[in-house]
Amino acid sequence: AQTVTQSQPEMSVQEAETVTLSCTYDTSENNYYLFWYKQPPSRQMILVIRQEAYKQQNATENRFSVNFQKAAKSFSLKISDSQLGDTAMYFCAFMNNAGNMLTFGGGTRLMVKP
Amino acid sequence: NAGVTQTPKFQVLKTGQSMTLQCAQDMNHNSMYWYRQDPGMGLRLIYYSASEGTTDKGEVPNGYNVSRLNKREFSLRLESAAPSQTSVYFCASSEAGWGKLNQPQHFGDGTRLSIL
Repeated sequence: AQTVTQSQPEMSVQEAETVTLSCTYDTSENNYYLFWYKQPPSRQMILVIRQEAYKQQNATENRFSVNFQKAAKSFSLKISDSQLGDTAMYFCAFMNNAGNMLTFGGGTRLMVKP
Repeated sequence: NAGVTQTPKFQVLKTGQSMTLQCAQDMNHNSMYWYRQDPGMGLRLIYYSASEGTTDKGEVPNGYNVSRLNKREFSLRLESAAPSQTSVYFCASSEAGWGKLNQPQHFGDGTRLSIL
């Protein structure tokens, strides 16, 4: 079974600064997929970014980018130019190669301060 | 766009009562999922359905049953509710299916269920 660990329960960052959220995972699979989801106070689950394990290039989506280290089984999320609307819970998630099981980490609560 | 719609949004039950949570998606997705989210934790998969007519257990299936009524609808049933099932329940869907991997899941807004 896969496990996903987010070691930072809470983080804070000043508006306009950069913050990095950590995620590590454990799997015996070689091909898999990784995701970061955002959950604001509205409780919606919003996809932020995704990464295929077979791609060496790190994924980027506007102000969001990842640092994917396959050998270390690490998948961190960098948020640049933080905005107040980035305040939310952030969940790292692992999807197996069959694409039918999504395993979530425990989440990191991010507070962006004005 | 409606996306994934869950009903009800809130529900309070007494121990031993039964309840069905409804979920419908209008994106013609093959796969649908039910998760629960307990305070301070990530989502855990209860059951999923990779296609109409099929269902499979996830990480925490005990105490639940599901029905994939058609391609649009996937319901979750608690036959005899217990306080340990107090949680927020999320339904999700994705295009994942034969030949389509790495498809993100789209989530509903959740159902907050309290069992007294």
